[in-house]
Amino acid sequence: DTGVSQDPRHKITKRGQNVTFRCDPISEHNRLYWYRQTLGQGPEFLTYFQNEAQLEKSRLLSDRFSAERPKGSFSTLEIQRTEQGDSAMYLCASSFRSSSGNTIYFGEGSWLTVV
Amino acid sequence: DQQVKQNSPSLRVQEGRISILNCDYTNSMFDYFLWYKKYPAEGPTFLISISSIKDKNEDGRFTVFLNKSAKHLSLHIVPSQPGDSAVYFCAASDGNNRLAFGKGNQVVVIP
Repeated sequence: DTGVSQDPRHKITKRGQNVTFRCDPISEHNRLYWYRQTLGQGPEFLTYFQNEAQLEKSRLLSDRFSAERPKGSFSTLEIQRTEQGDSAMYLCASSFRSSSGNTIYFGEGSWLTVV
Repeated sequence: DQQVKQNSPSLRVQEGRISILNCDYTNSMFDYFLWYKKYPAEGPTFLISISSIKDKNEDGRFTVFLNKSAKHLSLHIVPSQPGDSAVYFCAASDGNNRLAFGKGNQVVVIP
C-alpha cells in the first residue's frame, strides 16, 4: 500500500494525558499536512510542512499542539494535556505540487476520543 | 467564515439516476477546486478536480462543472451506484497551501 499511512487509527485517552499520532506520507510527496475533522464539519487545516520545514500553522493549533517532520519524511502530531474538545479525527495528507494544481491525498485518519 | 458552502446536506437518488451536488464559494482568489468522497471512519478520498481555467472536467462517471462568474461548481455522478453512498466534500485552494472545505453532502443511492 503506497498511500498515506496513519497510526494509531483509534486512541481513547483520559483528559490531561498526552497523545501522539504518526503519519507516513506518500514517498515521493514533499508536502505534508495535518487537518482535523469533527462531526458534521469538513476537514479544517492545522499545519503544513514542505520537506522538514513547518511553513504554516492555523490559529486552531493551540500551544498544546506540536507537529514535527524531522527528516522530511514521516511526521508526528502531539497533543499535550488533552481536553474533551480535542476529540476529533486527525487527518494527515500529502501532496507533490504540479503545474496543474495542488491535489492532496489523505490518510485514513486517527480518531481521538478524550474521556 | 465559511468560504465554501454546500447546501442541501443530504441527497437520496435511485440507482442508475444522476446525482448532482452543488457547491458555492465566496473567495474570488480560489483557482483550484476538488471533490472528495468520504466513508464513515475513513479519510477523504480524492475524486476529481478542476482548475479555474476550465469550466468542465470529466473522469468516468464523475463530471465537475465550474461557473466562475457565479462562484459555483457542481459534481455530477452518472449513473449513480450503491457504492457511491458516502459524504462528498467540496474543497477549494487559492494557490496557498491549505484547502478550504465545505461541510459535506450525504448521498444515499437506493438500489
